[in-house]
Amino acid sequence: DQQVKQNSPSLSVQEGRISILNCDYTNSMFDYFLWYKKYPAEGPTFLISISSIKDKNEDGRFTVFLNKSAKHLSLHIVPSQPGDSAVYFCAASATRSGGSNYKLTFGKGTLLTVNP
Amino acid sequence: NAGVTQTPKFQVLKTGQSMTLQCAQDMNHNSMYWYRQDPGMGLRLIYYSASEGTTDKGEVPNGYNVSRLNKREFSLRLESAAPSQTSVYFCASSNQEGVGEKLFFGSGTQLSVL
Repeated sequence: DQQVKQNSPSLSVQEGRISILNCDYTNSMFDYFLWYKKYPAEGPTFLISISSIKDKNEDGRFTVFLNKSAKHLSLHIVPSQPGDSAVYFCAASATRSGGSNYKLTFGKGTLLTVNP
Repeated sequence: NAGVTQTPKFQVLKTGQSMTLQCAQDMNHNSMYWYRQDPGMGLRLIYYSASEGTTDKGEVPNGYNVSRLNKREFSLRLESAAPSQTSVYFCASSNQEGVGEKLFFGSGTQLSVL
């Protein structure tokens, strides 16, 4: 059972426009969420995160929104740039579960293409 | 700064061969991880080591073994490689516990098993 879902395998936007990447989760124990960006032939790199005590976190052009009641988060990139073209992974963890349950669960990723 | 270093970057094996993927981090992180990435499957955790001296199974541990050699190094071993283990393997490390894991990844090892 997939606990973190990214239902859009790909997204194409024009340079300067907004990119919105979506992520849904099913595990109500998840309380910390992260977005990673991955370029071809490189490892994923951390982009932005949000704790379940917040509903929004902003870092420059990147904003993550969390809707706990809907178990949904989204990543907004404004304005989109060609260098943002990459695969974006949503990830979640259950930090308050104790024990060794700190590991991340990743979604399948969304390929974002920003066209000049 | 090197961060997380993985070797080799590419490897081709025949079915039944064994090999060890090496990973080292220079950030003094406590936790280390091995993930595999397959098309359409995202990143799946194979094994992790929450701290030096401990290892635990992740989501897809079958066919693999790991060794946390010291705080810096975490190796992944395939004892008898199978075509189903063709994948891109990523090592990662982190130093945050109980807050939310921010992982730092290596650049990956592309493994093909023929």
